[in-house]
Amino acid sequence: DTGVSQDPRHKITKRGQNVTFRCDPISEHNRLYWYRQTLGQGPEFLTYFQNEAQLEKSRLLSDRFSAERPKGSFSTLEIQRTEQGDSAMYLCASSPLGERSQETQYFGPGTRLLVL
Amino acid sequence: KQEVTQIPAALSVPEGENLVLNCSFTDSAIYNLQWFRQDPGKGLTSLLLIQSSQREQTSGRLNASLDKSSGRSTLYIAASQPGDSATYLCAVIRVSRGKLIFGQGTTLQVKP
Repeated sequence: DTGVSQDPRHKITKRGQNVTFRCDPISEHNRLYWYRQTLGQGPEFLTYFQNEAQLEKSRLLSDRFSAERPKGSFSTLEIQRTEQGDSAMYLCASSPLGERSQETQYFGPGTRLLVL
Repeated sequence: KQEVTQIPAALSVPEGENLVLNCSFTDSAIYNLQWFRQDPGKGLTSLLLIQSSQREQTSGRLNASLDKSSGRSTLYIAASQPGDSATYLCAVIRVSRGKLIFGQGTTLQVKP
């Protein structure tokens, strides 16, 4: 399967612990996005990479959150000192470089985080 | 600030009915509008993409329209089936931005 993959699929942690999620985009997709989705809501944008450069960050991304894409391939999203409000589904998406009007973002299955 | 709204939040119909899902957005400066499907606990699957210069797109039993001037889009599902039960999300990409801005979704249940 050559789709977007995310690991782990589920994570349960205690408040105050650090967690790290990984996203492997579709091969050769230059653009990579992270979104967060809470129950009953649509996904909200967190951050965007073009190759290894982080070009945009949402105000939702507090200083406890950090994302990297070191070699322009996979990406990691780390949450430090987790809080119960961080409980959500974290979605990764990728897309090829090209015209924005034709851009389709391909989503992974998500990582569901539960902070106790 | 771009806002995307979907009405209704939930919809239940008997199998075989034709139905329409609505999406509205406040800023008409968009690159495109997309409709996604999300099954419970899963990621998103792209259904249709309408470029800002287009009026509609069709795929099988699905037809999506876009009226940029009024800030509205509709997703028409013909002859609904129980397998269509899912949450449907619309999203736009604003000009000069790459991120998708999503509505809150419409949860559809098609009863056999």
